[in-house]
Amino acid sequence: EIVLTQSPGTLSLSPGERATLSCRASQSVSSNYLAWYQQKPGQAPRLLIYGASSRATGIPDRFTGSGSGTDFTLTISRLEPEDFAVFYCQQYGSSPRTFGQGTKVEIK
Amino acid sequence: QVHLVESGGDLVKPGGSLRLSCAASGFTFSDYYMSWIRQAPGKGLEWVSYISNSGSTIYYADSLKDRFTVSRDNAKNSVYLQMNSLKDEDTAVYYCARGGGSGRGFFDNWGQGTLVTVSS
Repeated sequence: EIVLTQSPGTLSLSPGERATLSCRASQSVSSNYLAWYQQKPGQAPRLLIYGASSRATGIPDRFTGSGSGTDFTLTISRLEPEDFAVFYCQQYGSSPRTFGQGTKVEIK
Repeated sequence: QVHLVESGGDLVKPGGSLRLSCAASGFTFSDYYMSWIRQAPGKGLEWVSYISNSGSTIYYADSLKDRFTVSRDNAKNSVYLQMNSLKDEDTAVYYCARGGGSGRGFFDNWGQGTLVTVSS
């Protein structure tokens, strides 16, 4: 099973700032099959990025995914008020599918 | 548009059973893998199971495969999760999501979830 470790646990930033979230895998993720999700309180998660760097339908271009192998990054170029949430990475290169433990992006 | 609606969540005693359902609409259900993912209160996401579009391929999280059974009925555009021998730690919101299969193992649409509470 691939273990995904996200860092930091919490990121305290102000609107307009840049957010950089990390997801590290315990072994190489096949074909860079890595996705990112955003979850707000009381809501289901929303797909942001798949294939490490492809934006899902309707996702603003301030969200950028990058990385390969075992190290992946989600960057939010300029935080909007609606971006504050918990973010999860997930690998689908092998079964079982696994999620990281999440990074909370909170308003400073 | 894609719509997924879970149902069947309830309060159940330890050792009990529950069957969750997920009704899908807005897409060709029989073309897609479907998955179940759960989230314990205040915790992160935990993938539970996926089932292929035909139902011939099924995979479970190792810790759950002896107690949980996933199935689907393409004629009814529905996927199900049968949960037996429930434990306190199974308490969670259970989401159904589209996706999970090889090459398309991300989850591009989610239901709103159904709450399962296991408590005496």
